[in-house]
Amino acid sequence: DTAVSQTPKYLVTQMGNDKSIKCEQNLGHDTMYWYKQDSKKFLKIMFSYNNKELIINETVPNRFSPKSPDKAHLNLHINSLELGDSAVYFCASSPLTVMNTEAFFGQGTRLTVV
Amino acid sequence: DAKTTQPTSMDCAEGRAANLPCNHSTISGNEYVYWYRQIHSQGPQYIIHGLKNNETNEMASLIITEDRKSSTLILPHATLRDTAVYYCIVRVGYTNAGKSTFGDGTTLTVKP
Repeated sequence: DTAVSQTPKYLVTQMGNDKSIKCEQNLGHDTMYWYKQDSKKFLKIMFSYNNKELIINETVPNRFSPKSPDKAHLNLHINSLELGDSAVYFCASSPLTVMNTEAFFGQGTRLTVV
Repeated sequence: DAKTTQPTSMDCAEGRAANLPCNHSTISGNEYVYWYRQIHSQGPQYIIHGLKNNETNEMASLIITEDRKSSTLILPHATLRDTAVYYCIVRVGYTNAGKSTFGDGTTLTVKP
């Protein structure tokens, strides 16, 4: 079983469209994250959710809106897509209540805006 | 979170030990050193972490200098599948689990 799974793996869409990326974790973790990796391979955190509450929002445009229907899911919705949104988006989870543990990452969603 | 500096790239012969250095001269007393790697087209994978003592697990060893300003990740017997980008991250644990932004990392190429 995949611990952290994202769908879709690839997403090609036109500028101005609205799209969503889904993430699910079956690890029972309390905290989930979204990261963006740009063309230079720089991996930067976007959002963090703890028990369905947003705890980090790192200067991300408000066109990006995370939604967590339950502790096991954290979806990323993007409005009015722009060319600069093209990147690989990674979902991750970690057991926040466990001291100094690692984050588990999904396989990524490669978003291409044309 | 403290900034880290890593070499851009390194090569290693298959079967030999790969030693990946990381400088974190501004590390605070409550910050841990974490290592992740990213194999091409995959999500980052946790390797190991430590505070001040050397650590070892089934994947690697982590050597932290006494002043904690630098560390070395050791892959004892590198294989071709260890070719990846290795990220050294320094951060406070617990509430910041997974929070950190990853730097440029070191691209390790294991050659036959």
